[in-house]
Amino acid sequence: QVQLVQSESELKKPGASVKVSCKASGYRFTSHAINWVRQAPGQGPEWMGWINTNTGNPTYAQGFTGRFVFSLDTSVSTAYLQISSLKAEDTAMYYCARYSDAADAFDMWGQGTMVTVSS
Amino acid sequence: SSELTQDPAVSVALGQTVRITCQGDSLRRFYASWYQQKPGQAPILVMYGENNRPSGIPDRFSGSSSGDTGSLTITGAQAEDEADYYCKSRDSSRNYNCVFGAGTKVTVL
Repeated sequence: QVQLVQSESELKKPGASVKVSCKASGYRFTSHAINWVRQAPGQGPEWMGWINTNTGNPTYAQGFTGRFVFSLDTSVSTAYLQISSLKAEDTAMYYCARYSDAADAFDMWGQGTMVTVSS
Repeated sequence: SSELTQDPAVSVALGQTVRITCQGDSLRRFYASWYQQKPGQAPILVMYGENNRPSGIPDRFSGSSSGDTGSLTITGAQAEDEADYYCKSRDSSRNYNCVFGAGTKVTVL
């Protein structure tokens, strides 16, 4: 079945980096863009941007430039989110989500990866 | 404007009907999609386009759109429909990037 499986939760110190993975299965990976969504504790989702799974070209939302990098390894149908110079305010659940052109919607979500930044 | 406005919370008696709205300028041009999120779970898509349900979503969920407002209606709400509901659309002022509403907490009484 179609699914996105994300890496496990991470506990990091301020200033460190983290790389979250999102492995797709059950469909052709390059047929759908992957979006990244942040959800801080008790808050609503916030769109971070997306990556074109054909070209690898990333697009970042305002507020997610500089320390955030989207990448791919199409050989293993996996998208990555790397965050550098972590801050306490980066503590959040991070989701990958598959974009459906036909629906103009996120039709499949990963289970989420909790990133906690604490000294 | 890039904002999508939702009521923070609504309640509905078991078996009754509730409508959740999402207001924003971008909805004059783009449809909203709707996501249900239960505590500790990832969001799931429950409605997209004018009135389209993904496979597996009960037909008590329906969608509509008028002017700058999109709506998600639950007809005959069930206990399992208690959740947060988020709308999402595009931000015409920012290169058509995606934007989420702040969410509506639906309580089934």
